[in-house]
Order: sequence, then structure tokens, then C-alpha cells
Amino acid sequence: EIVLTQSPGTLSLSPGERATLSCRASQSVSSSYLAWYQQKPGQAPRLLIYGASSRATGIPDRFSGSGSGTDFTLTISRLEPEDFAVYYCQQYGSSPRAFGQGTKVEIK
Amino acid sequence: EVQLVESGGGLVKPGGSLRLSCAASGFTFSSYSMNWVRQAPGKGLEWVSSISSSSSYIYYADSVKGRFTISRDNAKNSLYLQMNSLRAEDTAVYYCARDRIPAAFDLWGRGTLVTVSS
Repeated sequence: EIVLTQSPGTLSLSPGERATLSCRASQSVSSSYLAWYQQKPGQAPRLLIYGASSRATGIPDRFSGSGSGTDFTLTISRLEPEDFAVYYCQQYGSSPRAFGQGTKVEIK
Repeated sequence: EVQLVESGGGLVKPGGSLRLSCAASGFTFSSYSMNWVRQAPGKGLEWVSSISSSSSYIYYADSVKGRFTISRDNAKNSLYLQMNSLRAEDTAVYYCARDRIPAAFDLWGRGTLVTVSS
């Protein structure tokens, strides 16, 4: 079973700043089946990145994903007001399709 | 419109049962694997169960194995989750999500709240 650990737990930044979120897997994620989701209060999660680095439909290019094996990163190049939310990584290459515990990006 | 709509949530006593439904529309439901994901109040996302397009492959999280049963009816464009022997720790919003390998869970419903309490 793959366990995902996200860091930091909370990121306090200002609009316009760069956000770097980390997701570390306990073992290699097959075929880079690593996804990132954004969730705002009271809403369902929204797919941002799949396959570690491919943006989902309609996702702005300020969101980018990178990494392979056990270490993955989500970068938001310039934070917009609507980007303050909780972000989850997920591996979906094997069962159980575990999520990380989440990183909250809050306004500083 | 492409969407998923969950229903069937509510208040149930510990040890009780509940059946959740997820109605799909706007896409060819029978072509996709589907999942249930839950989120306890104030907590993170927890994958619960998945089912392949033809129901050939079914998987469960250890936390629900033996108590929950996932199923689907492709003729009715519907996904189900039968939940038995419910516990307080099963209290959560339950989401259904479309599985579009390699594109992960690309479509989510709004969720339905299940509360297990006496």
C-alpha cells in the first residue's frame, strides 16, 4: 500500500507569490499516476494535474506539476485570490488509490 | 451537461444501513470505472471503493471492506454504495467520481452527507 505524505501542512503566502507543494510517496508511483486536486470549502475536489505533469482541461497554466518515482511537486507560479484552498495529491496507479493528507494554502 | 449527482445520504443509527446512489448524465457511463470517495467533517479525502466499467474489478479500502458493497447499473447510468454495519467514523460527505485513466478522477459529484449517530 502506497502512503502519500504532503508538506507543508499549511502554506501562508500573499497573492502574486509562488507556491511550492510537495508530495512524497512511500514507494514508487507506477507510470507517474499521480494527480493533484484543489478543494475549496463546501465544494467537491477539482482535478488540476494528472500523470504528474499534465494539466486537466481548463486549468490555468500557472499550475504545473513535476516529479516521478516517489517525489512530486505542485507549483503555482503566481497566486491568484481564487487559488487559496486545500490541495491534495493522489496516486491512482494501484489500489488503494490513496490521497495525501492535504496542504492548505492560506492568505498571509 | 456532463454531471454526477449523488443521493441517499441521511441520518442513521450505529449498526444501521444506507444505500447511496450516483446518477450519471452527459457521457457514456458504461465506458468508465467509477469510485466513491468520502470526507469526514473537517478532514481530508479518503478513497472508499472503485468498480470497473463492466463490474469485473472491484476494490475497497480496508476501513470498509466486508461492510460496504459497490455496484453499478450501466442500463440506468447509476452507481451505488450499499453501506451496512455503519459506525460513527463512517460519518462523512460521500462523493462519486469518474475514473478516466490516465486522467485520474476527472469528474466529481457534489456529494451526499451521511451521519451515523444515535
